Amino acid sequence: DTAVSQTPKYLVTQMGNDKSIKCEQNLGHDTMYWYKQDSKKFLKIMFSYNNKELIINETVPNRFSPKSPDKAHLNLHINSLELGDSAVYFCASSHLSGGSTDTQYFGPGTRLTVL
Amino acid sequence: DQQVKQNSPSLSVQEGRISILNCDYTNSMFDYFLWYKKYPAEGPTFLISISSIKDKNEDGRFTVFLNKSAKHLSLHIVPSQPGDSAVYFCAASWGPDKLIFGTGTRLQVFP
Repeated sequence: DTAVSQTPKYLVTQMGNDKSIKCEQNLGHDTMYWYKQDSKKFLKIMFSYNNKELIINETVPNRFSPKSPDKAHLNLHINSLELGDSAVYFCASSHLSGGSTDTQYFGPGTRLTVL
Repeated sequence: DQQVKQNSPSLSVQEGRISILNCDYTNSMFDYFLWYKKYPAEGPTFLISISSIKDKNEDGRFTVFLNKSAKHLSLHIVPSQPGDSAVYFCAASWGPDKLIFGTGTRLQVFP
């Protein structure tokens, strides 16, 4: 069974479109994250949710809106896509919140290409 | 400002030999360090970690060394195996849940 899954795995879309990436974890974890890995291979945290509540919200454009319908899901909605949004987006989860020692389990990534 | 740096983008090692991957950081507040391994088309997977109160942690073939005064950590893999070929990310944290990653080092282990 996949622990952290993301859909779709690949997403190609035009500038200006709105798209969503879904993430689900079946590990029973309380905390979920979104990371962006850009062309320079930087892996940067974007958001963190604990039990459906926003914990970390890094400086990302407000075109990016995470949505957590329940603690097993954290979806990423992106409005008005721009060329610079092209990247690989990783979802992750961890058991606890408030502990930097928690291991994070990553999904396989979603490669977003904006044309 | 990149707080976690992996200055070697790639490393090539012969099977059976030691692989040493290096990582430097600038933020003295970091108190926990992790290494993640990533295969193509997969997400990073946790490999090994170390708390700032230690200077060494070992798990099988993998050992992480931490030199706080130099703000440097390294991952040693011995003996290296072809299956170790992957991208290795160093990560550091100081607060709840927030990991700062390096840019990764691609390790290739050849026969």
